Amino acid sequence: SAVISQKPSRDICQRGTSLTIQCQVDSQVTMMFWYRQQPGQSLTLIATANQGSEATYESGFVIDKFPISRPNLTFSTLTVSNMSPEDSSIYLCSVVGREADKGTQYFGPGTRLTVL
Amino acid sequence: AQKVTQAQTEISVVEKEDVTLDCVYETRDTTYYLFWYKQPPSGELVFLIRRNSFDEQNEISGRYSWNFQKSTSSFNFTITASQVVDSAVYFCALSEARSSASKIIFGSGTRLSIRP
Repeated sequence: SAVISQKPSRDICQRGTSLTIQCQVDSQVTMMFWYRQQPGQSLTLIATANQGSEATYESGFVIDKFPISRPNLTFSTLTVSNMSPEDSSIYLCSVVGREADKGTQYFGPGTRLTVL
Repeated sequence: AQKVTQAQTEISVVEKEDVTLDCVYETRDTTYYLFWYKQPPSGELVFLIRRNSFDEQNEISGRYSWNFQKSTSSFNFTITASQVVDSAVYFCALSEARSSASKIIFGSGTRLSIRP
């Protein structure tokens, strides 16, 4: 499976500011996904990011709040804008496996965000 | 609509005991994938297994085994001779198998604590 890294691994931010999270993959992938995991909760898909096209957002998530960039096949960023304490979560990116493993998503280590 | 139910919120057992984590799913798709992921305290999400809907064979990997029963829409996970390192939150998940763009629906997770 691909090696996925995320930066930062954790951050503490002030209300009203924005944070950009980076996701780097060691191989080219067509699709990348961004998930949010609120404290003690399960994972919820924010959006799917394809290279060269606009990200597709899930119900309840909007581009103004969570803008996503996908400049190439190995990199994506998620920005959490105008943060509030309710945005405190772990944010994870994922990619699909290759060939016969295409149905599986592999996850990065996550970014643990705390908003004060 | 797709849904994954993990009725056990928390389980605590003594080391070396066997433990089974339950997972029940709902889907109208005839072709789908089922997954188990492990999330240790560090936060990363570790892929454990993917099972295709047309393959009901049980699987064993070391101390881990999985029992897939379509008749009861269940995909249970058993850890034999549990160890402290098995302590984590375990997520069961489901996705349709039509494309690699399919989002994964996660259950609410089961927090497993192994006491020494």
